[in-house]
Amino acid sequence: DGGITQSPKYLFRKEGQNVTLSCEQNLNHDAMYWYRQDPGQGLRLIYYSQIVNDFQKGDIAEGYSVSREKKESFPLTVTSAQKNPTAFYLCASSIRRTSGVQETQYFGPGTRLLVL
Amino acid sequence: AQTVTQSQPEMSVQEAETVTLSCTYDTSESDYYLFWYKQPPSRQMILVIRQEAYKQQNATENRFSVNFQKAAKSFSLKISDSQLGDAAMYFCAYRSALPGTYKYIFGTGTRLKVLA
Repeated sequence: DGGITQSPKYLFRKEGQNVTLSCEQNLNHDAMYWYRQDPGQGLRLIYYSQIVNDFQKGDIAEGYSVSREKKESFPLTVTSAQKNPTAFYLCASSIRRTSGVQETQYFGPGTRLLVL
Repeated sequence: AQTVTQSQPEMSVQEAETVTLSCTYDTSESDYYLFWYKQPPSRQMILVIRQEAYKQQNATENRFSVNFQKAAKSFSLKISDSQLGDAAMYFCAYRSALPGTYKYIFGTGTRLKVLA
């Protein structure tokens, strides 16, 4: 079955620790995204990547880093510089725009990050 | 810059009744996509319905339909015959159709409660 997987479902971070959230997709989508969701708020874009080896900062990139070495994978690292990392993190992907193809963003199940 | 506004933080509807969720957006572009996503308690984001701005016909998916008013920059979601499973957060989203544009812009969401 095609889809987006995120792991782990829950992640605990200790003070000063870097942690990495995994996102994998087998939809053959070119673009991938990371969003942060806080209670009572909408989705805020952290990073996005249109193609392999290329990515752009979103609205709240400080304290986060990403890589895109493979089309299927877009891991997000929450660094120690992110002082308030407790949130729900959603990964998404979408197809590259080609003539006649309707683009839609599909989401993974999310990872909840908690600080110990 | 484009913005998406959902002015109703919370709505309630009786089971089997109809409810309309509001969304307005601001853009100077003429070609774009609009989406409604549902986020149930599981927190998995699920696409409900999508609309291309160049299409005058309102999109419909079973019990879900939209009222797309391009001149007014309004994109409301109507849920008919509401069911208990419709209870969720609903997010409106905008995406430019310009080539090379991949960023989605989300509203802050409307929490829908369905009363038995």
